[in-house]
Amino acid sequence: QVQLVQSGAEVKKPGASVRLSCKASGYTFTTYALHWVRQAPGQRLEWMGWIHPGNGVTKYSQKFQGRVTITRDKSASTAYMELSSLKSEDTAVYFCVSGDDLGYWGQGTLVTISS
Amino acid sequence: QSVLTQPPSASGTPGQRVTISCSGGSSNVAKNFVYWFQQFPGMAPKLLIYKNNQRPSGVPDRFSGSKSGTSASLAISGLRPEDEADYFCSAWDDSLSAGGDWLFGGGTKVTVL
Repeated sequence: QVQLVQSGAEVKKPGASVRLSCKASGYTFTTYALHWVRQAPGQRLEWMGWIHPGNGVTKYSQKFQGRVTITRDKSASTAYMELSSLKSEDTAVYFCVSGDDLGYWGQGTLVTISS
Repeated sequence: QSVLTQPPSASGTPGQRVTISCSGGSSNVAKNFVYWFQQFPGMAPKLLIYKNNQRPSGVPDRFSGSKSGTSASLAISGLRPEDEADYFCSAWDDSLSAGGDWLFGGGTKVTVL
């Protein structure tokens, strides 16, 4: 079955960067775009961007442009999301999402920004 | 408008029908597919409806989606206690100003009375 397994929780200081991973299994990794979506406490889901694992093409939300970088390692069926210049408002659960129609979600990674 | 608006809450008794609205604009709901997700506390969202009114396998037919113009709706018929959750709508927005963005509604908490 399709699984997206994300890396563990992170605690970072303001101004730092964080890199999260998302390992896919149960399907051909290059078939679907892989998205990153976050959910801050009490806030709506926010789309950050996606990567097409086949060719590495990316598209980012304007809100995060310049601060987010999404990459992938095809040999490891893993996607990565790096967010830089972290602020307290970046405290959130970050999800990777794949499949046609956003059908597959990772379990989420809690990122806490605290001085 | 490049925002998806949902009512914050909805409720019903077991067996009733509950409808959740999702209001968008010409650059998102009106021209692109709408998706609905169900989320329980502490869990990842789950796809409930895709492409306006299609159900993934395993989703009960008590859940149905529809769209008209700049609005979409999710209906839950025969409400059950296990349907108590948050529900989000989503659609791609391709307004020139945003450069393309997946939008999510603010979520509607469904309470089974």
